[in-house]
Amino acid sequence: EIVMTQSPATLSVSPGERATLSCRASQSVSNNLAWYQHKPGQAPRLLIYGASTRATGIPARFSGSGSGTEFTLTISSLQSEDFAVYYCQQYNNWPPLTFGGGTKVGIK
Amino acid sequence: QVQLQESGPGLVKPSETLSLTCTVSGGSITGYYWSWFRQPPGKGLEWIGYISNSGSTNNNPSLKSRVTISVDTSKNQFSLRLSAVTAADTAVYYCARVGGNYRYYFDYWGQGTLVTVSS
Repeated sequence: EIVMTQSPATLSVSPGERATLSCRASQSVSNNLAWYQHKPGQAPRLLIYGASTRATGIPARFSGSGSGTEFTLTISSLQSEDFAVYYCQQYNNWPPLTFGGGTKVGIK
Repeated sequence: QVQLQESGPGLVKPSETLSLTCTVSGGSITGYYWSWFRQPPGKGLEWIGYISNSGSTNNNPSLKSRVTISVDTSKNQFSLRLSAVTAADTAVYYCARVGGNYRYYFDYWGQGTLVTVSS
């Protein structure tokens, strides 16, 4: 099973600042990596797939990069609606499909 | 806009079977793959399994023998049954659609439903 590790667990950012979230895989997942945004009581929202392709309707301030075992989600200028928990998910080697533990982005 | 909605009992007794249904609206269930996930309180997301448009399934090995996923195309629904539940199965359960062509990321999700296992 591929273990996905996200860091930091919690990130405090001021509105308008840049946020950088990391995701590491225990072995290579090529570029088969997705990022999701999740707010309490809401459906998770697909942000990025293929490590760097924005999903339909996702603002350009969200960008993904990386391949192999190291990945980054960058939010260039945080808006109030971006405060949420972010998860990475690998779909290269499965079953099982696996997720990272999440990074909670909160207001500084 | 595709929407998914989970439904089912919010309370299940230990050793019994958890049964949930996901209703898909705004699009057809045929031609896509569909999946179930869960998130125990205070923990991360766990993939449970998926069902293909042909009805084949693939489940998380950690749950394999307890999980049954089925689809009812006439109702635009798919379902999850998890047998022999324990308190460890208490979680918010989500359904979702596979977004890629043999690329298992998920582009539409339900809001989730809390299932508590307790006597």
